[in-house]
Amino acid sequence: QVQLQESGPGLVKPSETLALTCTVSGGSITTNFWSWIRQPPGKGLEWIGSVFYSGRIRYNPSLKSRVTISVETSNNQVSLQVTSVTAADTAVYYCARSSGANRWFDPWGQGTLVIVSS
Amino acid sequence: EIVLTQSPGTLSLSLGDRATLSCRASQNISSTFLAWYQQKPGQAPRLLIHDASSRATDVPDRFSGSGSGADFTLTISRLEPEDFAVYYCQQYGDSPLYTFGQGTKLEIK
Repeated sequence: QVQLQESGPGLVKPSETLALTCTVSGGSITTNFWSWIRQPPGKGLEWIGSVFYSGRIRYNPSLKSRVTISVETSNNQVSLQVTSVTAADTAVYYCARSSGANRWFDPWGQGTLVIVSS
Repeated sequence: EIVLTQSPGTLSLSLGDRATLSCRASQNISSTFLAWYQQKPGQAPRLLIHDASSRATDVPDRFSGSGSGADFTLTISRLEPEDFAVYYCQQYGDSPLYTFGQGTKLEIK
């Protein structure tokens, strides 16, 4: 079955760029939308954005000015960049497959904690 | 933007009890656009229910979803130890494309 694994630095300095990668295994990246979702410590879930392999992208308007999501089909990977980070960007970042005609998320990666601190 | 409000914030129940969790949308949504997730500490959310009432693969039948319009409910018929977790509802909409409720924590009484 499809499995997702996030990777990237666990510590990012304020004002710098957060960059994460999600590697998809057990299936093709060309068959679904792929999404990034984050969860600050002890808080709820926030959708960041979703991308289709063709390049079609949707972003959360609240983050759109700082976020870039892209797909690298050759490596079956989805990438996330968040620029000008602050402490408010500290969170567990999840990638997930958008399923059911993109109406829900299943499965999810295990998540990776990113702390923004100097 | 469609806002999802979950209640209660925390629900304290005993093993074997029936749990009823609510998710209210700020406007009517299609039932096909409503999903529920379970999240245990240190784990990623897990899809439980989609289309408001359809159980995801391998989800026990003690979990059921219902509702329409702006009011949706997740019911757990008889609580097992592994059911104590945080539950989120999620809707698929316009802008933003997806929103989540703030979560209901189900704890052992």
